Amino acid sequence: EVQLVQSGAEVKKPGESLKISCKGSGYSFTTYWIGWVRQMPGKGLEWMGIIYPDDSDTRYSPSFQGQVTISADKSINTAYLQWRSLKASDTAMYYCVRRGIGVVNAIPVWYFDLWGRGTPVTVSS
Amino acid sequence: QSVLTQPPSVSGAPGQRVTISCTGSSSNIGAGFDVHWYQQLPGTAPKLLIYSNTNRPSGVPDRFSGSKSGASASLAITGLQAEDEADYYCQSYDSSLSGYVFGTGTKVTVL
Repeated sequence: EVQLVQSGAEVKKPGESLKISCKGSGYSFTTYWIGWVRQMPGKGLEWMGIIYPDDSDTRYSPSFQGQVTISADKSINTAYLQWRSLKASDTAMYYCVRRGIGVVNAIPVWYFDLWGRGTPVTVSS
Repeated sequence: QSVLTQPPSVSGAPGQRVTISCTGSSSNIGAGFDVHWYQQLPGTAPKLLIYSNTNRPSGVPDRFSGSKSGASASLAITGLQAEDEADYYCQSYDSSLSGYVFGTGTKVTVL
């Protein structure tokens, strides 16, 4: 089965570090970009960044540049999202997504075709 | 803040048609970048609903349709059903931000 399996819920204190994971299976992990999306409680979706697991080429949203680190270990088909010092405002659900590729009118198109179930992160003192 | 604007909510009775707008600008939808739509049922992860403006992935009912014109796009749901009650998000690429952007999201309520 083609899927992205995310690590479990986390409860942390402000100032602590955290690394959550997203493991891909059922497809060639190294040939699809993997992104991360934040959803704060009761709010909408925010794109954080994306990584190409084969060479770890990474792009960040300006809103998240310097706030988080996205990485990947292609030997174990896993992408990561990491914080060095959490804040209460990091409390959210975090989804990993696969950037799929299709063809429309002979032109390649890209979209987020596969989503993990999400990792809830709670940061509270 | 999202650069793609959607109405916060729309509602309709079962069987009716509802539409959700997604308004962008010259650096995203207006620049020709594709618009995709996602459905988020309560308590679940989002799911791809429409890709590249008008295309449905396999398994998505044909009562969902998308369109795009200029710097805006729309999602239409015809024959509204109770199971369509969810949040809907548009998504595109923004050249000014050099990254992907989501819409503000629209909650669809079936009366």
